[in-house]
Amino acid sequence: KQEVTQIPAALSVPEGENLVLNCSFTDSAIYNLQWFRQDPGKGLTSLLLIQSSQREQTSGRLNASLDKSSGRSTLYIAASQPGDSATYLCAVVFLGKGQGGKLIFGQGTELSVKP
Amino acid sequence: NAGVTQTPKFRILKIGQSMTLQCTQDMNHNYMYWYRQDPGMGLKLIYYSVGAGITDKGEVPNGYNVSRSTTEDFPLRLELAAPSQTSVYFCASTYLGAPYNEQFFGPGTRLTVL
Repeated sequence: KQEVTQIPAALSVPEGENLVLNCSFTDSAIYNLQWFRQDPGKGLTSLLLIQSSQREQTSGRLNASLDKSSGRSTLYIAASQPGDSATYLCAVVFLGKGQGGKLIFGQGTELSVKP
Repeated sequence: NAGVTQTPKFRILKIGQSMTLQCTQDMNHNYMYWYRQDPGMGLKLIYYSVGAGITDKGEVPNGYNVSRSTTEDFPLRLELAAPSQTSVYFCASTYLGAPYNEQFFGPGTRLTVL
């Protein structure tokens, strides 16, 4: 079964710390992987999209890496700020017939950055 | 572009009532999706569409119906609402076939069934 897992479920860090969020997936045959941010009671904001042929993507203080062979992606946040507090979701589009480009989501990591 | 819009933002239904959640995108995307998110969980796919007139079931389709008569609109119909359908519903769209198929999400509809 194609699954996406995010560990830990929650993370609390002091402001200014660099941190890594982890995402693992069960099948290396993926089309792409997308990281989202979700604030409480709000919708999803796309942060980074990594195609299967890419190893990493960067946007500002965020860097996402992809290792298909090991079924892992990481989201690195540099110099964390209280405004980074949110739930971060990892989602994968797996290859295969009838997939329809659908995203399979992990359960998310709830990040709290303390001032 | 407005992107993906959803209405209503909030709704309370009684058991057995029905309603339609509206979703519209103005990006000329061919693929559209309906996901639901239960508290503390990731999103699960309800239905998706690869183009006007073509729909298919996702992981959790029971109790829902969809239609896609135009490229822009993808309404989700709840018949005979049940408490298990209390959730937040997100519509999303993408253009599959391009080099990048980032999915864009609407703001969500928060539904409570009592």
